[in-house]
Amino acid sequence: GDSVTQMEGPVTLSEEAFLTINCTYTATGYPSLFWYVQYPGEGLQLLLKATKADDKGSNKGFEATYRKETTSFHLEKGSVQVSDSAVYFCALIHSGGYQKVTFGTGTKLQVIP
Amino acid sequence: GAGVSQTPSNKVTEKGKYVELRCDPISGHTALYWYRQSLGQGPEFLIYFQGTGAADDSGLPNDRFFAVRPEGSVSTLKIQRTERGDSAVYLCASSLDAYSGNTIYFGEGSWLTVV
Repeated sequence: GDSVTQMEGPVTLSEEAFLTINCTYTATGYPSLFWYVQYPGEGLQLLLKATKADDKGSNKGFEATYRKETTSFHLEKGSVQVSDSAVYFCALIHSGGYQKVTFGTGTKLQVIP
Repeated sequence: GAGVSQTPSNKVTEKGKYVELRCDPISGHTALYWYRQSLGQGPEFLIYFQGTGAADDSGLPNDRFFAVRPEGSVSTLKIQRTERGDSAVYLCASSLDAYSGNTIYFGEGSWLTVV
C-alpha cells in the first residue's frame, strides 16, 4: 500500500537558517503530494501541494518539488523564522478514487532566535 | 463558524466507558473524513462519508468504533467499551467533495484520554 517516510525530528534551527525536511513516498501510479503544517494549538493546515511530476508547490516561502525519479518531495525554505516552529507532515493522495490522505509521521521544527 | 468544528476538544474517560465525538464540517461540504493521530505519529484514516453514507470505513480498527452522519452534515464518531489504546487525537476533516482535488480542511481535533 501507499506510504510516506519523512525525516525524524525534532529539527532545531537558528532564525534565518536554511531548512530541508526530507520526504520520500511509495505509491503506484501518480499520487498527488502535500505538505501539511500543524502550529501549536491549531489544526492541520495545507501548506503546499504538487499534483504531477516536476511540479513545484510553494507557499509562505516554503517550496517542494515533485521528483518522480527519486519518489521524493523534500520541503525547503531559505530563511526560517521563529513563527515557522510547528510540526510538518508530508502526505499523499493516491491517483484516482477519492481523497484518502496517507500521512508521514511528522517532523517537529523548532526555530530559535 | 468558518472552519471544521470538533467537540469536545478534550475528553477524559474511564476504561470501558462509551464516548461520542462530534464534528461539524464546513457548510456545504459533502465529504467528511475521520482520522486518528496517536502521539508522535501522523494521522491515520478511519472513515470517509460522502453525504450521509459511509463510503469507506476500512480504517476503523474494530467493531467498537462506529460513525454516523444522518443528515449529511454533522458527524458523530462513537467508541464503545473504550480501551487505553484508544487514547489519541481524533481529527475530522471536510472538503467540498471527495474527487475533484478540493482542499481538505481539518478541525483542531478531539483529544481523548482513556484512563
